[in-house]
Amino acid sequence: GESVGLHLPTLSVQEGDNSIINCAYSNSASDYFIWYKQESGKGPQFIIDIRSNMDKRQGQRVTVLLNKTVKHLSLQIAATQPGDSAVYFCAENSNYQLIWGAGTKLIIKP
Amino acid sequence: GAGVSQSPRYKVAKRGQDVALRCDPISGHVSLFWYQQALGQGPEFLTYFQNEAQLDKSGLPSDRFFAERPEGSVSTLKIQRTQQEDSAVYLCASSLSTKNYGYTFGSGTRLTVV
Repeated sequence: GESVGLHLPTLSVQEGDNSIINCAYSNSASDYFIWYKQESGKGPQFIIDIRSNMDKRQGQRVTVLLNKTVKHLSLQIAATQPGDSAVYFCAENSNYQLIWGAGTKLIIKP
Repeated sequence: GAGVSQSPRYKVAKRGQDVALRCDPISGHVSLFWYQQALGQGPEFLTYFQNEAQLDKSGLPSDRFFAERPEGSVSTLKIQRTQQEDSAVYLCASSLSTKNYGYTFGSGTRLTVV
């Protein structure tokens, strides 16, 4: 079936360095992708989205890259801060549902 | 309110007990979604409302699960005769449009069945 998955379950990054979180998706017909951040005990929080007619989108300290050829998404976080510690999910729009991967836990080393 | 509000935040139920979980979406949001999130996993779709109409309930795990949104605003997810496998975080999200762009999630209700 359709699925969205992540390559790495945990990512440790030095504070101040850039973080890159990867995601693979399987439905080539998907036209909308979202990255969410989820802190412990909280609901997912929207970070950035991208539509399939784009290959890059930038926000504040974050950039999402979409490679439709290999069905791959990445989230880049610049100058990672302690407050970036969380689990990051990519999600794929499928009609009105979001299909989620299992998440990547980002750990910031001081 | 400013965000999606869910209550209670935590619920411990004895196996076999019925529970009701409440979601107050952002005022004016047309679409409302319920998701179930197991520990360490991404959320899994349960059901979708557009105003008061439940357009999709295909994700509900069994007939013990029931959701309603009678006036097109507040929604309740009810689980009858709870089982241990029902233990999870139940997330509610709402969206202004009829598409799922621009979801806002609540903090969820953590249900523990003992």
